[in-house]
Order: sequence, then C-alpha cells, then structure tokens
Amino acid sequence: GESVGLHLPTLSVQEGDNSIINCAYSNSASDYFIWYKQESGKGPQFIIDIRSNMDKRQGQRVTVLLNKTVKHLSLQIAATQPGDSAVYFCAEKGGSSNTGKLIFGQGTTLQVKP
Amino acid sequence: DTGVSQDPRHKITKRGQNVTFRCDPISEHNRLYWYRQTLGQGPEFLTYFQNEAQLEKSRLLSDRFSAERPKGSFSTLEIQRTEQGDSAMYLCASSHGQLNSPLHFGNGTRLTVT
Repeated sequence: GESVGLHLPTLSVQEGDNSIINCAYSNSASDYFIWYKQESGKGPQFIIDIRSNMDKRQGQRVTVLLNKTVKHLSLQIAATQPGDSAVYFCAEKGGSSNTGKLIFGQGTTLQVKP
Repeated sequence: DTGVSQDPRHKITKRGQNVTFRCDPISEHNRLYWYRQTLGQGPEFLTYFQNEAQLEKSRLLSDRFSAERPKGSFSTLEIQRTEQGDSAMYLCASSHGQLNSPLHFGNGTRLTVT
C-alpha cells in the first residue's frame, strides 16, 4: 500500500546553517507532494508544494527537490532560524485519487540550536 | 482571521459519552477533510466532503463516527460511545476544488477520553 516516510525522526542544526529534511515515498503514481510545518499545539501549516512534472521548486528560504527515479523528496531550509523549530511532514496525493486527500509521513523534528 | 476554525480546542470526556466537534472551513473552499493525529504520528485521513456530499470515508472511521456538512459550509464530527483509543487530535482542513490544491488545516480539537 501507499506509505510516506521520513528518514530521520530528529534533526538538530545550528542557527544560521542550512537544514535538509528527507522523505521517501512508495507510490510511483503520486503526482503531487506537499511539505507542512507543525508547531506544538497547532495544526500543520502549508510550506511548499511540488507537482510531479517538476524537479525543484523554490519559496522564501525553502526549496523542495523531487527525485522521481528514487522516489525521494527533500526540503531545504536556508539560514535556519529558531522559529523554524517544529515537526516537518511530507505528504503525497495518490495519482489515482481525485479527492485531493493527502497521505502523511511520520514527521521529522527540527531542533535549531542558538 | 480567515483560516480554518475548529471548536472546541480541547475536550475531556468520560468513556461512553458522545462528543461533537465543529469545523468552519475557509469560506471559498468547497472541499473539507477530517484527519486524526496521535502523538508522534502524522495526520491520518478520516473523511472528505465535496460541498455537502461525503465522498470518501476511511476504514479508520468506525460506526461510532459520523460526519456531516449539511449546507456545504461548516462540518461536524460526532463520536458516539467514546473509547480511550479515541483520544487524539482531530484536525479539519479545507481546499479549493481545483486538482492539486494544498490543504489548509485548523489548529484541531484535542480529545481526551478518561
């Protein structure tokens, strides 16, 4: 069945460094991927998305890379700040689904050290 | 604030009681989703509405769970005869009807069943 997973449960980085959070997915038919940030006590917050016809997409301080060959997704955060500390989830939409529902991985906790 | 609104934020109930949660989506969004999230896990899909029609339900949604969206705007999720295993964060999300639109989440209702 479908599954989305993240490689590391916790990532600790120094403030100002770049962060890279990885995600592997198993459904090769998935055509849409999203990264969410979740702070304690809050719902997931949309960061950036990418469609399967793209390899890279950039936002403000964030970049998402998609490697369909190895079914791998990554989120890069430039100049990581204390406010970036949160749990990060990747999510995918199945290629056969027209409901728009997302399947989430388990999350990676990003800890930013001052 | 024009984001997704959920009420209540917290609910403590005794086993066997019924509870009802409310979600008000972003006004122009016609798609509405309910997810459940337990500690340390990513959100799990429960059910999906397109306007007032409930078009998909997860196998996670037992007979004790019912969701409605009577006028295609707000939605309610009711859990009957609550069990301790129902303790979780219940998240609501909404999106546009276009293909590959990101889901926007509320801050959830945290349910504790004692």
